[in-house]
Amino acid sequence: DTAVSQTPKYLVTQMGNDKSIKCEQNLGHDTMYWYKQDSKKFLKIMFSYNNKELIINETVPNRFSPKSPDKAHLNLHINSLELGDSAVYFCASSRTSGGWGDNEQFFGPGTRLTVL
Amino acid sequence: QKEVEQDPGPLSVPEGAIVSLNCTYSNSAFQYFMWYRQYSRKGPELLMYTYSSGNKEDGRFTAQVDKSSKYISLFIRDSQPSDSATYLCAMSPNTDKLIFGTGTRLQVFP
Repeated sequence: DTAVSQTPKYLVTQMGNDKSIKCEQNLGHDTMYWYKQDSKKFLKIMFSYNNKELIINETVPNRFSPKSPDKAHLNLHINSLELGDSAVYFCASSRTSGGWGDNEQFFGPGTRLTVL
Repeated sequence: QKEVEQDPGPLSVPEGAIVSLNCTYSNSAFQYFMWYRQYSRKGPELLMYTYSSGNKEDGRFTAQVDKSSKYISLFIRDSQPSDSATYLCAMSPNTDKLIFGTGTRLQVFP
């Protein structure tokens, strides 16, 4: 019974293509996040939505566009993919915004994106 | 300079050893301090969190925070091969996001 799920698990694509990653949580949480983890394991937040509203938008190229159709879903669309976009993208959720202390963030299994 | 610094390792220890993992940080506004464990090809999962300074113990794991030195530690006693993973520290100044360290890869060999 997966709490935070992502699809696809692996994504291999050519430079210049457009792709989407989907995330769903069944925990009843209000807040969802997208993180990017590079090859050195550095995990950096990209976006956060609270109750379908964007609350964090880090310095991310506008080729990346998140969309939250409802509280349980947060998708990430990437236009004009570049080599530097290759990374593992994690979705996470927490009961409310912040995700610190006992307001734990639960992470999905990740989507490994490779841009050729 | 990153807000949170963590030695990437790898740290390789024999089974049964005491492991010490550390992070330093620069932002004195950080109040919550967390340790996440990430197994290979999986998402991070929360191990422990502490608020402000002090120690917290949970089984074989002890988290320590020294705010005066801007230094946090995670100790693992009686380490097991199943502890082999990447350990990420994370911190928050009580705002909407966490700042993560780069993670330390730990290998415990039998």
